[in-house]
Amino acid sequence: QVQLQESGPGLVKPSETLSLTCSVSVGSISPYYWTWVRQTPGKGLEWIGYIFYNGATKYNPYLESRATISVDTSKMQFSLRLTSVTAADTAVYYCARQFRYFGQLDVWGQGTTVTVSS
Amino acid sequence: EIVLTQSPGTLSLSPGERATLSCRASQSVSSDFLVWYQQRPGQAPRLLIYSTSIRATGIPDRFSGSGSGTDFTLSISRLEPEDFAVYFCQHYGHSVLFGQGTKVEI
Repeated sequence: QVQLQESGPGLVKPSETLSLTCSVSVGSISPYYWTWVRQTPGKGLEWIGYIFYNGATKYNPYLESRATISVDTSKMQFSLRLTSVTAADTAVYYCARQFRYFGQLDVWGQGTTVTVSS
Repeated sequence: EIVLTQSPGTLSLSPGERATLSCRASQSVSSDFLVWYQQRPGQAPRLLIYSTSIRATGIPDRFSGSGSGTDFTLSISRLEPEDFAVYFCQHYGHSVLFGQGTKVEI
């Protein structure tokens, strides 16, 4: 049973960089997409982007200029960096496994709350 | 850009009743790429249905999905206490888009 676990700071200062890592418990990084999604009370669920095991990425056009997703297959981890954060980036951040064809996210981490505040 | 609009925003029902939730796309989408999730308070979303009508592993058959084009529906035939939650639809295309959610409350 694959499990995902997010880790990273819960508090980030405005204008700084948010960095989160998702650890995959078992199985193989391929052949899935590995995805980041965030959730706020105001905007609901928002897809940030995904990465394939070979490093290919796709991002939400609204976040593409600030988001970078990377993967370390040897550690069974993938990571999110979001630069120049503002209060609007305060959210619960989830990592998830995504099927490549139908696009469903079938395994989710428990989520981690990130607050942007000085 | 495709927009997914879910209705109603809140559905007030009793256990044992049938729930019908709507997800409308702003333009026609392939039914292959329409997905439904359930989210209980304090939990991550849980995959219910993908490709419009295929139940995910372990999902009870009281959950069913249907639709095509711009109109998609999630039905719960007989609400159980654990079904009172928020439900999201999702489309997978050039990007991944979510609806704003429907809350099913007692």
